[in-house]
Amino acid sequence: DGGITQSPKYLFRKEGQNVTLSCEQNLNHDAMYWYRQDPGQGLRLIYYSQIVNDFQKGDIAEGYSVSREKKESFPLTVTSAQKNPTAFYLCASSSELAGNTDTQYFGPGTRLTVL
Amino acid sequence: AQSVAQPEDQVNVAEGNPLTVKCTYSVSGNPYLFWYVQYPNRGLQFLLKYITGDNLVKGSYGFEAEFNKSQTSFHLKKPSALVSDSALYFCAVREGGSYIPTFGRGTSLIVHP
Repeated sequence: DGGITQSPKYLFRKEGQNVTLSCEQNLNHDAMYWYRQDPGQGLRLIYYSQIVNDFQKGDIAEGYSVSREKKESFPLTVTSAQKNPTAFYLCASSSELAGNTDTQYFGPGTRLTVL
Repeated sequence: AQSVAQPEDQVNVAEGNPLTVKCTYSVSGNPYLFWYVQYPNRGLQFLLKYITGDNLVKGSYGFEAEFNKSQTSFHLKKPSALVSDSALYFCAVREGGSYIPTFGRGTSLIVHP
């Protein structure tokens, strides 16, 4: 999956808990992204980061938080405020800061299930 | 604003037959178009992209796509389908000035033996 790792592969959360999904890339990419995938809905953007110490909300940021303290790392926290967090979460990265032609490279995903 | 549509939720094809997965798009300026494939419980893998130049783009695993500006389409094709091509396929578009792509809902391709 192109030098991007996500952990864990499967994650179970109890109601009211915060959980953090890890995403690491060794591609020296500036931009990183988090997507949520639900059956039949395609990919929806949660957060993205163009550069270290900067990130922007995507289409469905409510109930999620991120940080970008290092270029290679972009962890996603699913908070208790996210009412329906059960989904497949995908992290991606691309090389240039604002390169329209860049290909995104995706990690293998984390499947989060709320018990 | 940019948008992309994959009009078919599922495409069924017999092994050895040609396959087409459809994608249409809408952008204000020049489109940058991408196809990705996803196998069960895996991340998306890049297949091919159109940026400029030749309208016929060749990609991984024998796939190709044809950019048609007048029809605003970017259909994915393969001359002879394999059972192992069965997967979920996503089309994505970026327009000039945007670095956040918009993804289609995905098309499930099922290749029957």
